Amino acid sequence: QKEVEQDPGPLSVPEGAIVSLNCTYSNSAFQYFMWYRQYSRKGPELLMYTYSSGNKEDGRFTAQVDKSSKYISLFIRDSQPSDSATYLCAMSEMDSSYKLIFGSGTRLLVRP
Amino acid sequence: SQTIHQWPATLVQPVGSPLSLECTVEGTSNPNLYWYRQAAGRGLQLLFYSVGIGQISSEVPQNLSASRPQDRQFILSSKKLLLSDSGFYLCAWSPSGLAGGHTDTQYFGPGTRLTVL
Repeated sequence: QKEVEQDPGPLSVPEGAIVSLNCTYSNSAFQYFMWYRQYSRKGPELLMYTYSSGNKEDGRFTAQVDKSSKYISLFIRDSQPSDSATYLCAMSEMDSSYKLIFGSGTRLLVRP
Repeated sequence: SQTIHQWPATLVQPVGSPLSLECTVEGTSNPNLYWYRQAAGRGLQLLFYSVGIGQISSEVPQNLSASRPQDRQFILSSKKLLLSDSGFYLCAWSPSGLAGGHTDTQYFGPGTRLTVL
């Protein structure tokens, strides 16, 4: 079993839809959770960073962490064609902060 | 602000040839530096990380090596490339504990796409 599981997609939605992207994990020691966006043939770009459980909002993006279920989510409101990209979740332990464990990414396509 | 550079952007090399990929970071001191490989449709595999000049930790035994000759320079090398070395190579940096910030918040460069034929 992988430490971090992420549905590869592709996930295709119409413009304006609310998008929900998710990751599950098995290591209860993970404390830091991140979401990266990666456009085709580009490096990943940090979108959201959260510590422990709870929600964090930034514009159209909301990151949610449920440590009891070992489940994290990224919600995108009013999705735009420019949101079409691969979204990677990443997480790390308190004492091993050099080592981010990444999901394999979910490809999102927002149709105009 | 901080900037990370990688070059070359694209590289096509024959099997058995050497490799040198370079990464430099601007606008910060004593960063932690990382090399990742991303195979098509797969996640990021951490290859090496460095917390200081000359300090390299290898995560995956393989045909590659890394060096950090200067504080903000990180080099990925191979003496003889294999077909399996093809992939998208990403360099990343994070703040060190001395500089403050979250050491696990990593910022990525634009990547080098390597094709070994």
